[in-house]
Amino acid sequence: DAGVIQSPRHEVTEMGQEVTLRCKPISGHNSLFWYRQTMMRGLELLIYFNNNVPIDDSGMPEDRFSAKMPNASFSTLKIQPSEPRDSAVYFCASSLAPANVLTFGAGSRLTVL
Amino acid sequence: QQPVQSPQAVILREGEDAVINCSSSKALYSVHWYRQKHGEAPVFLMILLKGGEQKGHEKISASFNEKKQQSSLYLTASQLSYSGTYFCGTERGAGNMLTFGGGTRLMVKP
Repeated sequence: DAGVIQSPRHEVTEMGQEVTLRCKPISGHNSLFWYRQTMMRGLELLIYFNNNVPIDDSGMPEDRFSAKMPNASFSTLKIQPSEPRDSAVYFCASSLAPANVLTFGAGSRLTVL
Repeated sequence: QQPVQSPQAVILREGEDAVINCSSSKALYSVHWYRQKHGEAPVFLMILLKGGEQKGHEKISASFNEKKQQSSLYLTASQLSYSGTYFCGTERGAGNMLTFGGGTRLMVKP
């Protein structure tokens, strides 16, 4: 298996632009998680899906953030409009619930200027 | 609620031992341990379910004290490859979301 695949690996954009991050989970996994990592706040859970359904999105910072999982093999995290404080590494992880042993993707490093 | 890890950072010489602690104010179902090397993604080390079991992975082992809602990660005879940031993640129920602690940065020097 190729593992969890994220794209893009690096994104540099200007404030106000829309950013879309993509994730392909491990085939057969039924839970998908989006985390954000910064030096100040560590690893924060933004949202997680189970069987493509959003279960908990309480970690999503504000309405500028949205996430979708249209099918079992694809998820997106969108930021619109982006702000400099959104700069972080965004990780996608998947697992086979209920044993939430997470396999993380390589991450998408976002820089908003 | 985020679990609390201690210490925040530790520096060791090769061959020395270290203990990293993780505590929660809420009742836990499980504790997970992950290691993240610089510039890489976190990687799963082990999971401990409530029941106070102890697990091992090579020279890295962990325990979970259900009564105290605490877990400890033990690294014995540390190797250079152990360097990285260690995170504990806690679950309050089976299949619940995993909440990570702030991390413990471990540096092993020759």
